[in-house]
Amino acid sequence: GEDVEQSLFLSVREGDSSVINCTYTDSSSTYLYWYKQEPGAGLQLLTYIFSNMDMKQDQRLTVLLNKKDKHLSLRIADTQTGDSAIYFCAEWGGNDYKLSFGAGTTVTVRA
Amino acid sequence: EAQVTQNPRYLITVTGKKLTVTCSQNMNHEYMSWYRQDPGLGLRQIYYSMNVEVTDKGDVPEGYKVSRKEKRNFPLILESPSPNQTSLYFCASSLQGGKLFFGSGTQLSVL
Repeated sequence: GEDVEQSLFLSVREGDSSVINCTYTDSSSTYLYWYKQEPGAGLQLLTYIFSNMDMKQDQRLTVLLNKKDKHLSLRIADTQTGDSAIYFCAEWGGNDYKLSFGAGTTVTVRA
Repeated sequence: EAQVTQNPRYLITVTGKKLTVTCSQNMNHEYMSWYRQDPGLGLRQIYYSMNVEVTDKGDVPEGYKVSRKEKRNFPLILESPSPNQTSLYFCASSLQGGKLFFGSGTQLSVL
């Protein structure tokens, strides 16, 4: 399958910005996604970006896509304790009807 | 309320005892999929279904079976479970591409 890689842990102070990075290998990806998993729960779609876009902003969330480097990032402004969760980067390949996930980044927000 | 319902939430079983994890969605989605989540590995796709009577293997299908006799249901069957199938399982459905709705998960332990 396609490879999606992300760092495993991020610690951030409450009120600061969080930046979660992700790289992928499939150049035919049509959409890239960010999912959030809170403890004991399933994954929830946070935001997504189409592959021909560079940036997408949605309230406190900013997604940046560098298609040349196959690099995706998620910035969370004014990080709150409720943002503590595991964040998954995922890419949807055009031909294989599959969402490929990274290993997930555990974000811990400290007071 | 739009949702994906998985049952059971927790299951402890012994090696070789057949089991079924049920999944049902009420959103009239054509696409359904099963994932397993293991620490450090993210989510890996087991099987997916594009529509009724249409199923296909994901990345880790060995030891699993699925069926899609009705649009809303997509059960996961383990004919002869083994300890390496101890994992957290998620069912998901989608109307469009990678915008998946996830169930709450089934934590399976095979002794």
